[in-house]
Amino acid sequence: NAGVTQTPKFQVLKTGQSMTLQCAQDMNHEYMSWYRQDPGMGLRLIHYSVGAGITDQGEVPNGYNVSRSTTEDFPLRLLSAAPSQTSVYFCASSYLRENEQFFGPGTRLTVL
Amino acid sequence: GESVGLHLPTLSVQEGDNSIINCAYSNSASDYFIWYKQESGKGPQFIIDIRSNMDKRQGQRVTVLLNKTVKHLSLQIAATQPGDSAVYFCAESDSGSARQLTFGSGTQLTVLP
Repeated sequence: NAGVTQTPKFQVLKTGQSMTLQCAQDMNHEYMSWYRQDPGMGLRLIHYSVGAGITDQGEVPNGYNVSRSTTEDFPLRLLSAAPSQTSVYFCASSYLRENEQFFGPGTRLTVL
Repeated sequence: GESVGLHLPTLSVQEGDNSIINCAYSNSASDYFIWYKQESGKGPQFIIDIRSNMDKRQGQRVTVLLNKTVKHLSLQIAATQPGDSAVYFCAESDSGSARQLTFGSGTQLTVLP
């Protein structure tokens, strides 16, 4: 099993550009989520999904969209990148929402 | 809103000694707690969890203690090794928050040779 994979590992954007961060898991987990991690802070939940076709907002959803067309994939879209979105983004999955979450290696995003 | 915090942002211990990392939480409804380890440049890795119907749980070289009276939990690492150097996060959830995990800001553990 590859576990949770994320691409790209690094990305630099200009303000106003859009892009999609990819996340995939091969553990047949129903629950998937996106977090951002800023220096000196814990992980903050952006969006989550409890299963294919179902998504919901987390703590900091503004400026981000998600979709869940398959159990395996949970892409995160930045609609119009802003410097405040400079962060490290982690995707995670778990069998159930309250179970141990498995994290991907992260995507380091810089918005200029 | 409710938050999870850590008493100390950094902790240095000698190799072979025991480490204790503390975490305070403020949500009295929290009933599930997890400790994660994050090495530099990597995603968080699950260490151990505990539910509120327990006050202690042991894993391999790790023990989590939960004191619901003072809303405090700790992670004890026995015989700390260089590979234990990392940032450690506690996280909590409750059924009222739709089981979303709230993470603390982390403690940097450094193991000295």
